[in-house]
Amino acid sequence: GENVEQHPSTLSVQEGDSAVIKCTYSDSASNYFPWYKQELGKRPQLIIDIRSNVGEKKDQRIAVTLNKTAKHFSLHITETQPEDSAVYFCAASRGTSYDKVIFGPGTSLSVIP
Amino acid sequence: SAVISQKPSRDICQRGTSLTIQCQVDSQVTMMFWYRQQPGQSLTLIATANQGSEATYESGFVIDKFPISRPNLTFSTLTVSNMSPEDSSIYLCSGDRFYNEQFFGPGTRLTVL
Repeated sequence: GENVEQHPSTLSVQEGDSAVIKCTYSDSASNYFPWYKQELGKRPQLIIDIRSNVGEKKDQRIAVTLNKTAKHFSLHITETQPEDSAVYFCAASRGTSYDKVIFGPGTSLSVIP
Repeated sequence: SAVISQKPSRDICQRGTSLTIQCQVDSQVTMMFWYRQQPGQSLTLIATANQGSEATYESGFVIDKFPISRPNLTFSTLTVSNMSPEDSSIYLCSGDRFYNEQFFGPGTRLTVL
């Protein structure tokens, strides 16, 4: 089955700096890669996703890149703000409504004011 | 956008008893998913619930321990049976919004004494 790895497990950056989180997956049939942000005590929230027909997607300060050949994808957050502090999970799936989504172990991001 | 609610939000239960968690979506969804999240950990998929058929369980989870119902396209229940302290966790349901875009309920925090 699918296995998703994520690095680093913790990340501290100064406010205004960029943060990068990297993930790898094992199932070559996976073609949907969402990213979730979970604040303490809250539910996971989808912040951005990418499907395998594109290599990069951007939404304001966040962007995701995908390399299907190497089976890895990354989240980039620019101009970080204290409210970006949270746990971020990458995930992978085969992309239909019937497919399960497998989550990575998570990255705890701290943005230091 | 669609909203998921869960009941109860938290509970403290005695060893050997059972708890049923309800998950209600305000619009129809094809699939619903049940996850377990231990404190500080990632989301582990328990099972996938499709209306009109038996739930599909992941390795390590069995129907006798975690029976699931999915009577219609907006509702599902997860029962945690014959509980032990090891079942203490947060249980989250999710619905599939569009081609695997999952949105989550607020979670049920379960403590077993």
